[in-house]
Amino acid sequence: TQLLEQSPQFLSIQEGENLTVYCNSSSVFSSLQWYRQEPGEGPVLLVTVVTGGEVKKLKRLTFQFGDARKDSSLHITAAQPGDTGLYLCAEYNNNDMRFGAGTRLTVKP
Amino acid sequence: GAVVSQHPSWVICKSGTSVKIECRSLDFQATTMFWYRQFPKQSLMLMATSNEGSKATYEQGVEKDKFLINHASLTLSTLTVTSAHPEDSSFYICSAQTGYNSPLHFGNGTRLTVT
Repeated sequence: TQLLEQSPQFLSIQEGENLTVYCNSSSVFSSLQWYRQEPGEGPVLLVTVVTGGEVKKLKRLTFQFGDARKDSSLHITAAQPGDTGLYLCAEYNNNDMRFGAGTRLTVKP
Repeated sequence: GAVVSQHPSWVICKSGTSVKIECRSLDFQATTMFWYRQFPKQSLMLMATSNEGSKATYEQGVEKDKFLINHASLTLSTLTVTSAHPEDSSFYICSAQTGYNSPLHFGNGTRLTVT
């Protein structure tokens, strides 16, 4: 079973700061997805990365997929209180989906 | 589009009773649905994979006789927690997809509290 490690586990920052969260694997990802989950709701897909070295941007969020496809990062620029939530990375392969432990982000106004 | 509805959104039941949670794909046909369990401040743990018309595949450590999954149609899967105990209290989430390796769409979850 592939393990997905996310770091940091918790992150509390002030509004306007930048941050990066990481997702690492013991083996190669076939594809990797990032989700954001708010309390009491289901996860919402932010992005899917497939190609090694791929970079995708979603407004203030930048997603990178490592060249070797064993790691990924999510960078948020000028964080806002609305970015608060649980960020999950997940691998989806052959109808099997595994989530990382998540990074719980709190952005204080 | 691609809306998944879970019902109920929260439920409180007494120990020993059974609770049924529904997961519906409202505007697409879901060949596969997944059921997850999430404890407070933790990630989602896959419980089982449900394919329409066939028996669900349960993850290791998940009791299939306790967590009954039925996927009788392309738009509905149900999870029944039988003989519920307080330790079954958790947040249960379903997701659905139209086909193999297609995007997953998540429901909003059901918070179960067993007293």
